[in-house]
Amino acid sequence: AQSVTQLGSHVSVSEGALVLLRCNYSSSVPPYLFWYVQYPNQGLQLLLKYTTGATLVKGINGFEAEFKKSETSFHLTKPSAHMSDAAEYFCAVTRSGAGSYQLTFGKGTKLSVIP
Amino acid sequence: SQTIHQWPATLVQPVGSPLSLECTVEGTSNPNLYWYRQAAGRGLQLLFYSVGIGQISSEVPQNLSASRPQDRQFILSSKKLLLSDSGFYLCAWSGQTRSGELFFGEGSRLTVL
Repeated sequence: AQSVTQLGSHVSVSEGALVLLRCNYSSSVPPYLFWYVQYPNQGLQLLLKYTTGATLVKGINGFEAEFKKSETSFHLTKPSAHMSDAAEYFCAVTRSGAGSYQLTFGKGTKLSVIP
Repeated sequence: SQTIHQWPATLVQPVGSPLSLECTVEGTSNPNLYWYRQAAGRGLQLLFYSVGIGQISSEVPQNLSASRPQDRQFILSSKKLLLSDSGFYLCAWSGQTRSGELFFGEGSRLTVL
């Protein structure tokens, strides 16, 4: 069964510092992997996704993630944090269900950016 | 382009009252539809999903039910709300792809008093 582990429920960084949010997954088949961002009282918005091809995936707002099969990881990074990056981030992996493909989500990491 | 809307955005209800949250998708046909709940500190919990009209699968037993009366309409209901039903409810849709990529609505904040 597919599962997702996000290390650290809360991460704080200074404005301008590197952002690193960790995600490890387990999957019995080649995975499709996603990062979503959620701002307070809003729905989730897709940041980036890995399906096939290049293992370094670039997303919106300067974020990127690298799929590392040997480490079963899909960590999210951004070179320089901005105040507007403060939000909750969810990593997800695809699993197959009855009649559809579904996402299994991690528990989320809340990112705080300190001025 | 595809859009998803859910309403109401905010709801305050007394214990024992009924609930109806509605979600509609535009710009696509035969979507897979989902209801998720976020309770404080508990991440995203999948409540129901539907692969077609009248087809509902429940992930967890609970006080809620879902219906899909039309292809692009998904409704979350309860006959009698409990305090534990409070939370942030999210509707989402996906296409008929293997990736399972989800597109979320704006969310509905339910407070049961």
